[in-house]
Amino acid sequence: DTAVSQTPKYLVTQMGNDKSIKCEQNLGHDTMYWYKQDSKKFLKIMFSYNNKELIINETVPNRFSPKSPDKAHLNLHINSLELGDSAVYFCASSHDDRPDNYGYTFGSGTRLTVV
Amino acid sequence: AQSVTQPDIHITVSEGASLELRCNYSYGATPYLFWYVQSPGQGLQLLLKYFSGDTLVQGIKGFEAEFKRSQSSFNLRKPSVHWSDAAEYFCAVGAKNQGGKLIFGQGTELSVKP
Repeated sequence: DTAVSQTPKYLVTQMGNDKSIKCEQNLGHDTMYWYKQDSKKFLKIMFSYNNKELIINETVPNRFSPKSPDKAHLNLHINSLELGDSAVYFCASSHDDRPDNYGYTFGSGTRLTVV
Repeated sequence: AQSVTQPDIHITVSEGASLELRCNYSYGATPYLFWYVQSPGQGLQLLLKYFSGDTLVQGIKGFEAEFKRSQSSFNLRKPSVHWSDAAEYFCAVGAKNQGGKLIFGQGTELSVKP
């Protein structure tokens, strides 16, 4: 039973397309996140949701729109994909958004390649 | 602003040798500090964390880390490295009222020689 699962694992698409990445956690956690890992392995937060409410939007372009239908799911939709969007996108969850409960559980990542 | 620096991009150690990975942070108040490990093609796994109390924290897989406020450091150590420890290691810092946000260092890639 995977704790945080992301689909798809790999995504290759052309510039200008719209794509979605799905994330689900079965840990009962309240807080979920999207992180972007670039080609130099640098990890940066994009969004965090606590109990379906957006808490952090880290100056991400409007083309990126997260959606949390319930606290177990956090999907990421990307419009008009650009070459610079190529990266590995990680979903993560934590018990809540208090730092002493931060021990994130990460999904295995979605490698997005825009051609 | 919070920041995390891992000065070593790549470290190679021999199997059985000891390991120390460096991490320096910048944050005004008491930081919440973490070490994560990422194996190729995988997500990140939490090794250990420090919030308060004893400055030497034990983690999984035989790792430990020591918080030194005076040096703004949180270095990761292991007395004897195994070949399976080869991976990317990330130090991260969090704080209260940040919506769960973690700031990650650039990562240190560990290679293990037989």
